[in-house]
Amino acid sequence: EPEVTQTPSHQVTQMGQEVILRCVPISNHLYFYWYRQILGQKVEFLVSFYNNEISEKSEIFDDQFSVERPDGSNFTLKIRSTKLEDSAMYFCASSGGTGIYNEQFFGPGTRLTVL
Amino acid sequence: DQQVKQNSPSLSVQEGRISILNCDYTNSMFDYFLWYKKYPAEGPTFLISISSIKDKNEDGRFTVFLNKSAKHLSLHIVPSQPGDSAVYFCAADQGAQKLVFGQGTRLTINP
Repeated sequence: EPEVTQTPSHQVTQMGQEVILRCVPISNHLYFYWYRQILGQKVEFLVSFYNNEISEKSEIFDDQFSVERPDGSNFTLKIRSTKLEDSAMYFCASSGGTGIYNEQFFGPGTRLTVL
Repeated sequence: DQQVKQNSPSLSVQEGRISILNCDYTNSMFDYFLWYKKYPAEGPTFLISISSIKDKNEDGRFTVFLNKSAKHLSLHIVPSQPGDSAVYFCAADQGAQKLVFGQGTRLTINP
C-alpha cells in the first residue's frame, strides 16, 4: 500500500541553525501539507501546497519557514533559523483527489529537537 | 483556538463492547470531518470521514455520526478490539484543505 515517508526520523540541531525536513508524498497525490505537534498539544496545520505553490498557511508559518518541491517526488520544509519552540513532531501529509474534500494521509513524522 | 474539541482525554472500554468517541466543533463553516487514529511514534492514520450532507457513514466496525444542529460528531467502534487502543483525533475541514484537529482521546481496550 502506498505511504508517505519522511526523513530523518529524528533531527537534533542547535538553536539558530537551519534544518530541512524531507518528505516523499504518495506518488499520484496532488496536495501536500506540513503539520506539527508540540509535545502534549494538538496537531497544528502549517502549510498546504498545490500546483507548485503555497495554497494556505497558518500564522505559525512565518518567514522562517519555507517549503519546496525540488523534484517530482520530494517535498521539503525548511526552517531557516531554528528556535527552541520549534521543537516538535513534524508531519507531512498528502491527498490525492481534485475534489474539494480529500482524505489526507500522514507520514510517520520527524521529531525535531532544538537545543 | 478551540474550534474542535474532544472533551474526554481518555476512555477505557472492555474488549467486545462498543467504544464511543465524541467531538464538538464551533465553526459552522466546517463541512467535512475526519477521524484519525495514532499510535505512539507514528503519524495519524486515516480511519473514516463524513461530509456535512450526511448524518452517518459506516465502514466495517467504524461508524461516524454527525449532528450538524448540535455541532457534534461521534465515532463508534463495535466490537472493540485490543488493537484499537490508540489516540483518536477528530479533525474538521472547511474546504480549504487545512485540517483543524481536536486534542485527541486516548482509547484503551481492556481484555
